[in-house]
Amino acid sequence: GDSVTQMEGPVTLSEEAFLTINCTYTATGYPSLFWYVQYPGEGLQLLLKATKADDKGSNKGFEATYRKETTSFHLEKGSVQVSDSAVYFCARGAQKLVFGQGTRLTINP
Amino acid sequence: GAVVSQHPSWVICKSGTSVKIECRSLDFQATTMFWYRQFPKQSLMLMATSNEGSKATYEQGVEKDKFLINHASLTLSTLTVTSAHPEDSSFYICSARGGGAFEQYFGPGTRLTVT
Repeated sequence: GDSVTQMEGPVTLSEEAFLTINCTYTATGYPSLFWYVQYPGEGLQLLLKATKADDKGSNKGFEATYRKETTSFHLEKGSVQVSDSAVYFCARGAQKLVFGQGTRLTINP
Repeated sequence: GAVVSQHPSWVICKSGTSVKIECRSLDFQATTMFWYRQFPKQSLMLMATSNEGSKATYEQGVEKDKFLINHASLTLSTLTVTSAHPEDSSFYICSARGGGAFEQYFGPGTRLTVT
């Protein structure tokens, strides 16, 4: 069946470091792709999305590009902040979402 | 805007009892609500999809008689775990989507512990 695979965490970085969280998907057709973020004690929030190949989603300094040829949607940020500490979920779908296992990110000052 | 709440945020119940979890859309009408289950350090797994006024559609492997879902209004859906057992202990998350909208808005989750 369709699935999403994320790099295993936890990931710990220093402030201002470059971030990459890998995400690959298997799917029939061309699903929409999403990154969600979950801050402590809060619900999942949509961080960014891309609906077709070569689209780039971006928000709050985070970016991810829909790569059909590599079935990937890696999340990147050039300079992370302590406030970016959270759990990040990659997901695919439209009517129904399929999530990756989540990656816990901790940014140290 | 687009806030979804869940109540309770955590609950402990004894084995064999039933527990109800509420999911509310506070500032929009949710024509579709989704219920997910999340095990520790694992992904969210969709349990069922419910449309207002209709019976829920359950994912394969989810017992509909055990996990009763009611979506009686455009702002409220409930999940009742019947005859709970320790293996039902988990984090339950709901999401909601308004009519015609694409994005799902998630609640903060409910942690259920069955002793």
